[in-house]
Amino acid sequence: GAGVSQSPSNKVTEKGKDVELRCDPISGHTALYWYRQSLGQGLEFLIYFQGNSAPDKSGLPSDRFSAERTGGSVSTLTIQRTQQEDSAVYLCASSRTLRGDQFFGPGTRLTVL
Amino acid sequence: GDSVTQMEGPVTLSEEAFLTINCTYTATGYPSLFWYVQYPGEGLQLLLKATKADDKGSNKGFEATYRKETTSFHLEKGSVQVSDSAVYFCALVLQGGSEKLVFGKGTKLTVNP
Repeated sequence: GAGVSQSPSNKVTEKGKDVELRCDPISGHTALYWYRQSLGQGLEFLIYFQGNSAPDKSGLPSDRFSAERTGGSVSTLTIQRTQQEDSAVYLCASSRTLRGDQFFGPGTRLTVL
Repeated sequence: GDSVTQMEGPVTLSEEAFLTINCTYTATGYPSLFWYVQYPGEGLQLLLKATKADDKGSNKGFEATYRKETTSFHLEKGSVQVSDSAVYFCALVLQGGSEKLVFGKGTKLTVNP
């Protein structure tokens, strides 16, 4: 596609459930990033991938959060046993190369009840 | 740690007014600097960037100059339009370090006709 796509666009879940968020980067982009946007914390880095490897996972808030990337393309961010403080907009970005400009998707709005 | 500080919003201007949004940074190395914009209901878009001291980034009538001596990257536009109403984020990436974007809190701009 022309841009970064994310699904679902909105997700409402109950506390304690697991959720999976998907990101499709721009075709040919080797680097992929996950960020979180919340009212209290602003925009925060979570993790990035170069190919299928994740050199920097320092932003993942807890071990309930994990991410993977397969085939150097699609990435999935998984949150286990969701908590209310996980409610936020989860943004994915990709760049052609590791130090290239990052292009963002529209985000997934997660609401944990 | 590395951080970005933006002027608090919201900012409300009349059409054709001059805009300045202040941004200063703290970084252990030599960052690249960015302004991203988020229009209502849309995703983050790269507005402009600068990668070394004294570089000027420009796009859509907006400008920002990388000032190493004052660690600043203020966003300016000579004559704003209603369509410029959005949230503006200043950000940095450390060159040669982690590839994550570090964002400021964002400044909401409203331009009235």
